[in-house]
Amino acid sequence: AQSVTQLDSQVPVFEEAPVELRCNYSSSVSVYLFWYVQYPNQGLQLLLKYLSGSTLVKGINGFEAEFNKSQTSFHLRKPSVHISDTAEYFCAASGGYNKLIFGAGTRLAVHP
Amino acid sequence: EPEVTQTPSHQVTQMGQEVILRCVPISNHLYFYWYRQILGQKVEFLVSFYNNEISEKSEIFDDQFSVERPDGSNFTLKIRSTKLEDSAMYFCASRSGSAAKTETQYFGPGTRLLVL
Repeated sequence: AQSVTQLDSQVPVFEEAPVELRCNYSSSVSVYLFWYVQYPNQGLQLLLKYLSGSTLVKGINGFEAEFNKSQTSFHLRKPSVHISDTAEYFCAASGGYNKLIFGAGTRLAVHP
Repeated sequence: EPEVTQTPSHQVTQMGQEVILRCVPISNHLYFYWYRQILGQKVEFLVSFYNNEISEKSEIFDDQFSVERPDGSNFTLKIRSTKLEDSAMYFCASRSGSAAKTETQYFGPGTRLLVL
């Protein structure tokens, strides 16, 4: 079955520190991969997406992700986080005709 | 910037009652989706809708669920007889409609449904 796994349910980090949020996908899932962010009381906002080409993808708010086919991973990184990055982050893959398959989410908590 | 809106933001209902969750997709979008997230679990696909018909649905989307685009702007999800396990956050999404797998889906803020 198609699946997306986010290995950490919560990641606490201090402001200005680097962060990596991990995501692995099953090899049967189409290799169109996405990271969405959900700020409190808001909808899911696209951070970045991998469709093809360069394996390093840059997104909004200074985030980037690297597609690694051999490790079936698509980890999200930011070199220096801000308090305002506190949110829930969802990794997703495009499966089937047009639905998204989501991971369970990672709650990033940035502390001063 | 255009956005997907959903109403209500919260709904509490009694088991067995019908609920209708409403969404206004982005105006020039052609594909519409419902997803749900039970507390502490993954966001799950429910149904996709295009050209006034369901294009794909999940196992969750049984006969108790239905979707409709009653006019040119609204997209609704109806649950005929709610169960306790229907309690979840329901997200609506839309996309404009060229390449199926690569286009971005834009999500609304969600409706939190609580069935008592």
